[in-house]
Amino acid sequence: AQSVSQHNHHVILSEAASLELGCNYSYGGTVNLFWYVQYPGQHLQLLLKYFSGDPLVKGIKGFEAEFIKSKFSFNLRKPSVQWSDTAEYFCAVIPWGSSASKIIFGSGTRLSIRP
Amino acid sequence: GAGVSQTPSNKVTEKGKYVELRCDPISGHTALYWYRQSLGQGPEFLIYFQGTGAADDSGLPNDRFFAVRPEGSVSTLKIQRTERGDSAVYLCASSLAGGGGAADTQYFGPGTRLTVL
Repeated sequence: AQSVSQHNHHVILSEAASLELGCNYSYGGTVNLFWYVQYPGQHLQLLLKYFSGDPLVKGIKGFEAEFIKSKFSFNLRKPSVQWSDTAEYFCAVIPWGSSASKIIFGSGTRLSIRP
Repeated sequence: GAGVSQTPSNKVTEKGKYVELRCDPISGHTALYWYRQSLGQGPEFLIYFQGTGAADDSGLPNDRFFAVRPEGSVSTLKIQRTERGDSAVYLCASSLAGGGGAADTQYFGPGTRLTVL
């Protein structure tokens, strides 16, 4: 079955530390890839997306992600985190197939930033 | 412009009761999706509408769950004979076109938190 794995359930960092959140998916065909963020008390928001082209994708708030097809990975990075980055981060995939709009989400990574 | 809205924001019901959850998508979006998010998990797909028709309902857990979108805009998720295991946040999303591709970015609403006692 198609799935998305997020390796870390909870990450705790100090401000200004660098961030990398892992994401791997299991699907051999064409995929659309996303990172969504959910700030405390808010709804899911799109952070960045990959559809095609340059595998290094830049999103909002200084985040970026790199699609490595050979590793089935789409890790999220930020060189210097801020306290306001405290949130839940979800990696997500749309595998192309019979229903090319069904998002498969990972279980999420909770990011806590110490001020 | 307005985003996706969902009502009610919270719903508490008793086991065995019937509930309806409403979603109002972004104006002009033809595709509408329902997801369910249990505590500590990512959202799980339930159903996808393209216009008025359900293009994919493979995520509905059983026949107690049903959704409609009669005029291609507002959608209602209906749950019959609710069970405690139905407790979750029900999320609605909409996208411009559906079907994948650059136009298929899904925008999520705030969700309805359903609690079945």
